Amino acid sequence: AQSVTQPDIHITVSEGASLELRCNYSYGATPYLFWYVQSPGQGLQLLLKYFSGDTLVQGIKGFEAEFKRSQSSFNLRKPSVHWSDAAEYFCAVGLTGGGNKLTFGTGTQLKVEL
Amino acid sequence: DVKVTQSSRYLVKRTGEKVFLECVQDMDHENMFWYRQDPGLGLRLIYFSYDVKMKEKGDIPEGYSVSREKKERFSLILESASTNQTSMYLCASSSEGTGNTIYFGEGSWLTVV
Repeated sequence: AQSVTQPDIHITVSEGASLELRCNYSYGATPYLFWYVQSPGQGLQLLLKYFSGDTLVQGIKGFEAEFKRSQSSFNLRKPSVHWSDAAEYFCAVGLTGGGNKLTFGTGTQLKVEL
Repeated sequence: DVKVTQSSRYLVKRTGEKVFLECVQDMDHENMFWYRQDPGLGLRLIYFSYDVKMKEKGDIPEGYSVSREKKERFSLILESASTNQTSMYLCASSSEGTGNTIYFGEGSWLTVV
């Protein structure tokens, strides 16, 4: 069965600093990979997704992620964090032919210090 | 704009009560989902529906059932609520096809006392 690991439960960065959130997946074939963000008390919003092709994916709000097959990773990055980026971030993997069901990681809570 | 609406944002129910969580989407999506979110556990799939009257168990279906009588509506039912079902419940929908964006509702916070 597929799985997703987000090794960092909490991350704190200063506003204006760069950010990298880690995500590792376990799956036998090339997966579909997603990053979602959840603001407090809200549902999840899609930041970006990877299916195939260019391994560097651009998303909304200035985020990007890079798929590295050799490392089974899909890390999320942002060059300069804004205070409004404070939220919880979830990595997810979908299966080919899986009916669009996603398996989520346990999330990384981002705190931004002013 | 895409809209997944969960009618109840906050509910408090008693142990043993039957609980209905309702979800409506306005995008004519084939797929609908119910996830449960708990701190440190992320989101876990309870049930999935890929068509009207069709359902499939997710990872944690025990203690839950679902109903999809109309394409736009997907209900989660707790037949006899228990305190370990206190959680945040998220409904989601997507069009048919692997990899299509899944859209989430704002969630329903259920407390069982």
